[in-house]
Amino acid sequence: AQTVTQSQPEMSVQEAETVTLSCTYDTSESDYYLFWYKQPPSRQMILVIRQEAYKQQNATENRFSVNFQKAAKSFSLKISDSQLGDAAMYFCAYRSTGNQFYFGTGTSLTVIP
Amino acid sequence: NAGVTQTPKFRILKIGQSMTLQCAQDMNHNYMYWYRQDPGMGLKLIYYSVGAGITDKGEVPNGYNVSRSTTEDFPLRLELAAPSQTSVYFCASSYIGQGKKAEAFFGQGTRLTVV
Repeated sequence: AQTVTQSQPEMSVQEAETVTLSCTYDTSESDYYLFWYKQPPSRQMILVIRQEAYKQQNATENRFSVNFQKAAKSFSLKISDSQLGDAAMYFCAYRSTGNQFYFGTGTSLTVIP
Repeated sequence: NAGVTQTPKFRILKIGQSMTLQCAQDMNHNYMYWYRQDPGMGLKLIYYSVGAGITDKGEVPNGYNVSRSTTEDFPLRLELAAPSQTSVYFCASSYIGQGKKAEAFFGQGTRLTVV
């Protein structure tokens, strides 16, 4: 099984500032997908951003961007201009070539007004 | 489209009871998954299915069973509930194929408490 590690159980950021959430993964596969999901208190899992391993360009979705370092097996999420609505648990996920999804243990993000 | 629908949203079971968590998707996805989420542990894969009639074990299958008789439905059966099965359960689906983005879509979860 693949392992996904999020080493920051909790993070906080001032409103309008930038924060980076870390994720590393362990794999011997070359073709895979990586994702960041947001889970607000409502419990719903919401896709934030996706990255295909064969693409060297880092994915961007509005205020959310990733730093994908394939050789280092690192996949961090940067949130710019943080908003109160960004407060949530964030999960890094890996989709294997066998099409199973593996999740990290999550990072709880607090946004300070 | 309703997406992925899970029922019930909450349930309390007594030790030794059985129940089925229902999951349905209307997106014609071929892959479906069941996860459990425990505090500080992330999501762990229980079972998954690559299509109707085909299921396989994930990381934590003990105490659970699944079936997939149709593309749309993927129920999870708990036999002889134990306190260790107290958790939040998520059903998810994904289309794996040419030209698709291949993320997982999730239901709203079922909070199960075994007492």
